[in-house]
Amino acid sequence: GAVVSQHPSRVICKSGTSVKIECRSLDFQATTMFWYRQFPKKSLMLMATSNEGSKATYEQGVEKDKFLINHASLTLSTLTVTSAHPEDSSFYICSARDLGPRLHFGNGTRLTVT
Amino acid sequence: QKEVEQNSGPLSVPEGAIASLNCTYSDRVSQSFFWYRQYSGKSPELIMSIYSNGDKEDGRFTAQLNKASQYVSLLIRDSQPSDSATYLCAVATATGTASKLTFGTGTRLQVTL
Repeated sequence: GAVVSQHPSRVICKSGTSVKIECRSLDFQATTMFWYRQFPKKSLMLMATSNEGSKATYEQGVEKDKFLINHASLTLSTLTVTSAHPEDSSFYICSARDLGPRLHFGNGTRLTVT
Repeated sequence: QKEVEQNSGPLSVPEGAIASLNCTYSDRVSQSFFWYRQYSGKSPELIMSIYSNGDKEDGRFTAQLNKASQYVSLLIRDSQPSDSATYLCAVATATGTASKLTFGTGTRLQVTL
């Protein structure tokens, strides 16, 4: 149980385009989802907390207009990287929490911007 | 600023030995502590969680928490080559759904044959 599906697993896009990443909780309802970014050999950095039916809460230094988060239902949150640039290339990971404190992670999305 | 610190390693141990991974945190009000294992290119997977001072054992893994020293550790007994991965320490400052995790930079463990 408690499976989080993240799609796509890999994406390559050209600079200036936008990319949408989906995060779905398959067998539980997630009122809160978290989006992380991880650069090579670095730790996970929390980008934003996604709340169902309300605006996301962004961490300091994360541009909300560049990283658009939508949490329209209890099982789906999306992250859209707008006008992507090479420095946005990273590993993006979503996670969701069920009724307990444990976080369930998606498999991550490797974004490469050329 | 909330910080979670780990030695980046690599920590190299022979197969069958005990691997000891350490983590310190700066926020005294931290309440929940987690160890995640992450293989290269993959998402983290939860190994252990611990909430109160002392030891917690699960199979070959033992988590140790000392809130007074702001220190949490993970021991892996009978280390196997498949344990080779990066181990992330994560700390939350509240319990339940309101909490969010702060991760350390991870310690890379290499188990040698």
